[in-house]
Amino acid sequence: GAVVSQHPSWVICKSGTSVKIECRSLDFQATTMFWYRQFPKQSLMLMATSNEGSKATYEQGVEKDKFLINHASLTLSTLTVTSAHPEDSSFYICSAGGVGGQPQHFGDGTRLSIL
Amino acid sequence: QKEVEQNSGPLSVPEGAIASLNCTYSDRGSQSFFWYRQYSGKSPELIMSIYSNGDKEDGRFTAQLNKASQYVSLLIRDSQPSDSATYLCAVSSGSARQLTFGSGTQLTVLP
Repeated sequence: GAVVSQHPSWVICKSGTSVKIECRSLDFQATTMFWYRQFPKQSLMLMATSNEGSKATYEQGVEKDKFLINHASLTLSTLTVTSAHPEDSSFYICSAGGVGGQPQHFGDGTRLSIL
Repeated sequence: QKEVEQNSGPLSVPEGAIASLNCTYSDRGSQSFFWYRQYSGKSPELIMSIYSNGDKEDGRFTAQLNKASQYVSLLIRDSQPSDSATYLCAVSSGSARQLTFGSGTQLTVLP
Protein backbone atom coordinates (compact mmCIF):
# COMPACT_ATOMS: atom_id res chain seq x y z
CA GLY A 1 0.00 0.00 0.00
CA ALA A 2 0.88 3.66 -0.17
CA VAL A 3 3.59 4.81 2.19
CA VAL A 4 3.81 8.23 3.77
CA SER A 5 6.86 9.14 5.81
CA GLN A 6 6.84 11.90 8.40
CA HIS A 7 9.84 13.35 10.18
CA PRO A 8 10.70 14.03 12.94
CA SER A 9 8.55 11.79 15.08
CA TRP A 10 9.18 13.74 18.26
CA VAL A 11 10.30 17.28 19.00
CA ILE A 12 10.88 19.09 22.28
CA CYS A 13 11.93 22.70 22.09
CA LYS A 14 11.78 26.00 23.88
CA SER A 15 9.04 28.55 23.45
CA GLY A 16 9.73 30.91 20.56
CA THR A 17 11.46 28.30 18.43
CA SER A 18 10.28 27.50 14.91
CA VAL A 19 9.84 23.83 14.09
CA LYS A 20 9.70 22.24 10.64
CA ILE A 21 7.93 18.94 10.01
CA GLU A 22 8.40 17.02 6.77
CA CYS A 23 5.91 14.75 5.06
CA ARG A 24 6.97 12.59 2.13
CA SER A 25 5.04 10.26 -0.13
CA LEU A 26 7.51 7.45 -0.78
CA ASP A 27 5.93 5.42 -3.54
CA PHE A 28 3.54 7.77 -5.30
CA GLN A 29 3.24 11.37 -6.39
CA ALA A 30 0.99 13.48 -4.21
CA THR A 31 -0.31 16.73 -5.67
CA THR A 32 -2.27 17.19 -2.48
CA MET A 33 -1.36 16.44 1.11
CA PHE A 34 -3.24 17.16 4.28
CA TRP A 35 -2.10 18.33 7.69
CA TYR A 36 -4.01 17.41 10.82
CA ARG A 37 -3.67 18.21 14.47
CA GLN A 38 -4.81 16.01 17.31
CA PHE A 39 -5.06 16.89 20.98
CA PRO A 40 -5.18 14.16 23.62
CA LYS A 41 -8.38 12.12 23.58
CA GLN A 42 -9.74 14.12 20.67
CA SER A 43 -10.20 13.31 17.02
CA LEU A 44 -8.16 14.59 14.11
CA MET A 45 -8.82 18.15 13.03
CA LEU A 46 -7.86 19.18 9.52
CA MET A 47 -5.59 22.21 9.60
CA ALA A 48 -4.84 22.74 5.94
CA THR A 49 -4.70 21.20 2.51
CA SER A 50 -1.29 21.42 0.91
CA ASN A 51 -1.25 21.82 -2.87
CA GLU A 52 1.87 21.20 -4.93
CA GLY A 53 3.07 24.39 -6.58
CA SER A 54 0.43 26.64 -5.06
CA LYS A 55 -0.70 28.09 -1.78
CA ALA A 56 -2.14 25.89 0.90
CA THR A 57 -5.80 26.08 1.81
CA TYR A 58 -6.26 26.64 5.53
CA GLU A 59 -9.28 25.66 7.59
CA GLN A 60 -11.18 28.32 9.44
CA GLY A 61 -9.44 29.35 12.61
CA VAL A 62 -5.98 28.15 11.58
CA GLU A 63 -3.43 30.95 11.46
CA LYS A 64 -1.66 31.02 8.11
CA ASP A 65 1.29 32.98 9.44
CA LYS A 66 1.66 30.63 12.36
CA PHE A 67 1.56 27.38 10.42
CA LEU A 68 3.52 27.79 7.21
CA ILE A 69 3.02 25.10 4.61
CA ASN A 70 5.25 24.53 1.59
CA HIS A 71 4.58 21.86 -1.03
CA ALA A 72 7.47 22.35 -3.42
CA SER A 73 7.50 18.92 -5.05
CA LEU A 74 5.16 16.04 -5.77
CA THR A 75 6.59 14.04 -2.90
CA LEU A 76 7.28 16.56 -0.14
CA SER A 77 5.20 18.90 1.96
CA THR A 78 6.49 20.75 5.00
CA LEU A 79 4.71 22.33 7.93
CA THR A 80 6.61 24.97 9.90
CA VAL A 81 5.25 26.01 13.26
CA THR A 82 6.64 29.50 13.68
CA SER A 83 7.48 30.98 17.07
CA ALA A 84 5.95 27.98 18.80
CA HIS A 85 4.36 28.35 22.22
CA PRO A 86 3.19 25.77 24.74
CA GLU A 87 -0.36 25.89 23.37
CA ASP A 88 1.01 24.63 20.04
CA SER A 89 2.03 21.38 21.72
CA SER A 90 0.10 18.64 19.98
CA PHE A 91 0.29 15.60 17.72
CA TYR A 92 0.67 16.70 14.09
CA ILE A 93 -0.13 14.17 11.37
CA CYS A 94 0.12 14.44 7.60
CA SER A 95 -1.64 12.37 5.01
CA ALA A 96 -1.61 11.89 1.26
CA GLY A 97 -3.82 10.17 -1.25
CA GLY A 98 -7.56 10.39 -1.53
CA VAL A 99 -7.56 10.70 -5.31
CA GLY A 100 -10.80 9.48 -6.82
CA GLY A 101 -12.27 8.78 -3.43
CA GLN A 102 -9.48 6.40 -2.47
CA PRO A 103 -8.29 6.34 1.15
CA GLN A 104 -5.81 8.77 2.56
CA HIS A 105 -2.69 7.26 4.07
CA PHE A 106 -1.16 8.78 7.14
CA GLY A 107 2.37 9.45 8.24
CA ASP A 108 3.46 8.27 11.67
CA GLY A 109 2.86 11.71 13.16
CA THR A 110 5.04 14.22 14.99
CA ARG A 111 4.61 14.80 18.68
CA LEU A 112 5.53 18.41 19.39
CA SER A 113 6.19 19.58 22.93
CA ILE A 114 6.94 23.25 23.55
CA LEU A 115 8.45 24.05 26.93
CA GLN B 1 -21.30 22.05 8.54
CA LYS B 2 -20.50 18.46 7.71
CA GLU B 3 -20.70 16.25 10.75
CA VAL B 4 -19.73 12.70 11.52
CA GLU B 5 -20.91 11.26 14.79
CA GLN B 6 -19.81 8.16 16.65
CA ASN B 7 -20.58 6.74 20.05
CA SER B 8 -17.54 7.76 22.03
CA GLY B 9 -17.68 4.69 24.23
CA PRO B 10 -15.70 3.30 25.78
CA LEU B 11 -16.92 -0.01 24.44
CA SER B 12 -15.77 -3.18 26.14
CA VAL B 13 -16.27 -6.67 24.76
CA PRO B 14 -14.88 -10.03 25.86
CA GLU B 15 -12.31 -11.78 23.72
CA GLY B 16 -13.97 -13.73 20.93
CA ALA B 17 -17.12 -11.60 20.88
CA ILE B 18 -18.38 -9.37 18.10
CA ALA B 19 -17.68 -5.66 18.49
CA SER B 20 -20.10 -3.32 16.75
CA LEU B 21 -19.12 0.26 16.00
CA ASN B 22 -21.54 2.79 14.58
CA CYS B 23 -21.27 6.08 12.71
CA THR B 24 -23.74 8.55 11.22
CA TYR B 25 -23.00 11.42 8.88
CA SER B 26 -24.86 14.55 7.92
CA ASP B 27 -23.78 15.22 4.32
CA ARG B 28 -25.98 13.29 1.88
CA GLY B 29 -23.42 14.00 -0.84
CA SER B 30 -20.82 11.84 0.90
CA GLN B 31 -19.43 9.18 -1.36
CA SER B 32 -16.50 7.51 0.37
CA PHE B 33 -16.46 6.02 3.83
CA PHE B 34 -13.54 4.76 5.83
CA TRP B 35 -12.75 3.14 9.12
CA TYR B 36 -9.36 3.83 10.65
CA ARG B 37 -7.84 2.24 13.72
CA GLN B 38 -5.65 4.34 15.97
CA TYR B 39 -3.57 2.91 18.75
CA SER B 40 -2.65 5.21 21.60
CA GLY B 41 0.16 7.55 20.57
CA LYS B 42 0.11 6.37 16.97
CA SER B 43 -1.33 7.71 13.75
CA PRO B 44 -4.46 6.23 12.15
CA GLU B 45 -4.21 3.17 9.93
CA LEU B 46 -6.81 2.20 7.37
CA ILE B 47 -8.99 -0.78 8.28
CA MET B 48 -11.80 -0.66 5.75
CA SER B 49 -13.16 1.48 2.95
CA ILE B 50 -16.68 1.24 1.54
CA TYR B 51 -18.34 3.12 -1.27
CA SER B 52 -21.70 1.47 -2.03
CA ASN B 53 -24.66 0.30 0.02
CA GLY B 54 -24.41 -3.10 1.61
CA ASP B 55 -21.74 -5.10 3.35
CA LYS B 56 -18.04 -5.41 2.65
CA GLU B 57 -16.04 -8.09 4.39
CA ASP B 58 -12.29 -8.31 4.90
CA GLY B 59 -11.15 -11.04 7.23
CA ARG B 60 -12.66 -10.45 10.66
CA PHE B 61 -13.90 -7.00 9.68
CA THR B 62 -17.20 -6.16 8.00
CA ALA B 63 -18.22 -2.66 7.02
CA GLN B 64 -21.88 -1.87 6.40
CA LEU B 65 -23.19 1.18 4.58
CA ASN B 66 -26.73 2.48 4.33
CA LYS B 67 -26.77 5.78 2.44
CA ALA B 68 -30.52 6.25 2.86
CA SER B 69 -30.10 6.21 6.62
CA GLN B 70 -26.71 7.96 6.42
CA TYR B 71 -25.25 5.24 8.53
CA VAL B 72 -22.05 3.24 8.38
CA SER B 73 -20.90 0.57 10.79
CA LEU B 74 -17.96 -1.70 11.46
CA LEU B 75 -18.25 -5.20 12.88
CA ILE B 76 -15.24 -6.96 14.30
CA ARG B 77 -15.74 -10.71 14.68
CA ASP B 78 -13.74 -12.87 17.07
CA SER B 79 -12.40 -9.78 18.79
CA GLN B 80 -8.84 -10.00 20.08
CA PRO B 81 -7.06 -7.95 22.76
CA SER B 82 -4.91 -6.54 19.96
CA ASP B 83 -8.06 -4.95 18.52
CA SER B 84 -8.18 -2.64 21.54
CA ALA B 85 -7.81 0.83 20.05
CA THR B 86 -9.79 3.89 19.03
CA TYR B 87 -11.75 3.43 15.82
CA LEU B 88 -12.31 6.51 13.68
CA CYS B 89 -15.06 6.83 11.12
CA ALA B 90 -14.15 9.16 8.26
CA VAL B 91 -16.26 10.45 5.40
CA SER B 92 -15.27 12.10 2.14
CA SER B 93 -17.52 14.03 -0.21
CA GLY B 94 -17.13 14.16 -3.96
CA SER B 95 -13.92 15.54 -5.34
CA ALA B 96 -13.02 17.49 -2.22
CA ARG B 97 -10.92 14.59 -0.94
CA GLN B 98 -10.97 16.09 2.50
CA LEU B 99 -11.90 13.71 5.26
CA THR B 100 -14.27 14.56 8.05
CA PHE B 101 -13.61 12.43 11.10
CA GLY B 102 -15.89 11.33 13.87
CA SER B 103 -14.72 11.68 17.44
CA GLY B 104 -13.77 8.02 17.58
CA THR B 105 -14.94 5.03 19.61
CA GLN B 106 -12.55 3.56 22.13
CA LEU B 107 -12.74 -0.24 22.08
CA THR B 108 -11.33 -2.50 24.76
CA VAL B 109 -11.27 -6.25 24.23
CA LEU B 110 -10.98 -8.03 27.54
CA PRO B 111 -8.91 -11.25 27.67
